Amino acid sequence: KAGVTQTPRYLIKTRGQQVTLSCSPISGHRSVSWYQQTPGQGLQFLFEYFSETQRNKGNFPGRFSGRQFSNSRSEMNVSTLELGDSALYLCASSSWTGGIYDEQYFGPGTRLTVT
Amino acid sequence: AQRVTQPEKLLSVFKGAPVELKCNYSYSGSPELFWYVQYSRQRLQLLLRHISRESIKGFTADLNKGETSFHLKKPFAQEEDSAMYYCAPFNAGKSTFGDGTTLTVKP
Repeated sequence: KAGVTQTPRYLIKTRGQQVTLSCSPISGHRSVSWYQQTPGQGLQFLFEYFSETQRNKGNFPGRFSGRQFSNSRSEMNVSTLELGDSALYLCASSSWTGGIYDEQYFGPGTRLTVT
Repeated sequence: AQRVTQPEKLLSVFKGAPVELKCNYSYSGSPELFWYVQYSRQRLQLLLRHISRESIKGFTADLNKGETSFHLKKPFAQEEDSAMYYCAPFNAGKSTFGDGTTLTVKP
């Protein structure tokens, strides 16, 4: 089956702008999680969506938001971009059956550069 | 607070030598434990999941709940094992990653 896909793969934005990143999970996976990866902070959890509802949230400011559509595709939005938002943003999908998560499958990431 | 410590940022061994990548965690609740690997220019992928007890690419990991450790081991390292390794407790859709260990296996 097709893996997790993320678009775009690379993005350059200017401070103050906003950006929307997209993630298409593996077919049948209803859980989508987002992570930020930076050299200084490593991999940090942003939020998780399941069946269009945010179920879990990390410690990021409100400028970071997301949503999930009925087909489980998810978008992440960052408003008022700051230089420190430059990072690789990873999306991961997982199935969830009977209250148990299966393993997470990661996408290739979107490399965001803020200038 | 949830915390994962991988004490070795860099680890270098010779081919055929045993390797152990350490992971200690501090976590409320009962997370599931995973090891992920990221080879050069590839996406993050699952290496080992505690509950499956499978040995992937010769790697095994023992969960020690008393010491809250989940060290990754391989008896004979291969050059193709050179990669970044992450330990990650997982619970409720959230993985908490350690800082990672870069393993280099020298010929």
